[in-house]
Amino acid sequence: DVKVTQSSRYLVKRTGEKVFLECVQDMDHENMFWYRQDPGLGLRLIYFSYDVKMKEKGDIPEGYSVSREKKERFSLILESASTNQTSMYLCASTDSPWRTGNTIYFGEGSWLTVV
Amino acid sequence: AQKVTQAQTEISVVEKEDVTLDCVYETRDTTYYLFWYKQPPSGELVFLIRRNSFDEQNEISGRYSWNFQKSTSSFNFTITASQVVDSAVYFCALRGYQKVTFGTGTKLQVIP
Repeated sequence: DVKVTQSSRYLVKRTGEKVFLECVQDMDHENMFWYRQDPGLGLRLIYFSYDVKMKEKGDIPEGYSVSREKKERFSLILESASTNQTSMYLCASTDSPWRTGNTIYFGEGSWLTVV
Repeated sequence: AQKVTQAQTEISVVEKEDVTLDCVYETRDTTYYLFWYKQPPSGELVFLIRRNSFDEQNEISGRYSWNFQKSTSSFNFTITASQVVDSAVYFCALRGYQKVTFGTGTKLQVIP
């Protein structure tokens, strides 16, 4: 079974702190994604990556950056956390376009509270 | 631009009623995939179905059925004889060449 693992399930951080959210997948997937989920807004794409060291902005990249140094790992970075970044963050991975499957696999989510 | 619209924010039905969840999408890609996911109160996202843009054949799986109409850019999801366990938030999603976009979700409450 594909496994997408997010390192922290619950975090509480202070305003202005630098926050790292880590995501690891074990299926050699090329594509990885970071979303945030807020009530009434669904899942909004922050950043995605289609290969090592490659990254693309999603719909709401402001205040975030990402790192993909290894194929299996995709990190989301909040350079200076703010209270409006309190949310649930979901990591996802999938195979490259039009290869087998294309099902999107999700991690369990990381609940971040910024105080 | 890529967009998924789920106009129904919340739906309540009485158990055993049928319910249809609407999904309308926009994309410039000629090849794409559409998905439905279920998110129960526990929070995990559960994959339900995937269709590609070349396959408009509708599908039935148990109490679930999907109606894909490319002409109207819609991919609707019907639950027949709903059950309390169907209560969840349902998300429609679109995958273009690289990007995956989700709708805002429809919260379904099935009342016993």
